[in-house]
Amino acid sequence: QVQLVQSGAEVRKPGASVKISCKASGDILTGYYLHWVRQAPGQGLEWMGRINPNSGGTNYAQNFQGRVTMTRDTSISTAYMELRRLRSDDTAVYYCARTYSSGGSDVWGQGTTVTVSS
Amino acid sequence: QSALTQPASVSGSPGQSITISCTGTSSDVGGYNYVSWYQQHPGKAPKLMIFDVSKRPSGVSNRFSGSKSGNTASLTISGLQAEDEADYYCSSYTSSITWVFGGGTKLTVL
Repeated sequence: QVQLVQSGAEVRKPGASVKISCKASGDILTGYYLHWVRQAPGQGLEWMGRINPNSGGTNYAQNFQGRVTMTRDTSISTAYMELRRLRSDDTAVYYCARTYSSGGSDVWGQGTTVTVSS
Repeated sequence: QSALTQPASVSGSPGQSITISCTGTSSDVGGYNYVSWYQQHPGKAPKLMIFDVSKRPSGVSNRFSGSKSGNTASLTISGLQAEDEADYYCSSYTSSITWVFGGGTKLTVL
């Protein structure tokens, strides 16, 4: 079954970091990119960045430059997204998504809720 | 990168057709044929409905179609059904090698 399984919900204090994992079921990322998208409560989708699972190359949205790092471990078919210096407005559901090179995301993780609160 | 512009809401009756617009610039929508559309039901992950402006993934109903003219892309849903009620988002590749989403459109089936 083609699926992406994300790590569980996280609670952090402002200024802390969070690292979310996204495990692919087998070799389903070959030929694709892995995008990260977030959605704040009651808000729309926001693109954060992408990683090439093969090369490890990344592209980040300007809004997250310097605060986000996307990595992968090909040996366990898992990608990671770390967001640092968390603020309350980083409270959101974070999704990973398998994505064509042209941008269509056809397989999504179940989402990981990150709550940032003092 | 500013979000693409979508109407906040659209509505239609069962059986009717509706169109949702997505307006960007020549640096995103107008410059590339890399526009995607997503359907999202409450509490669920988005679902890909259209990619590369007008291509449908396997399993998506042919009631959904996409097009583009200049800096504006459009999603048309024909034969509206109750289960089509959801939020819809467009997305486009940009000249900065990034992607940008629209603000989302809430579709109500009357």
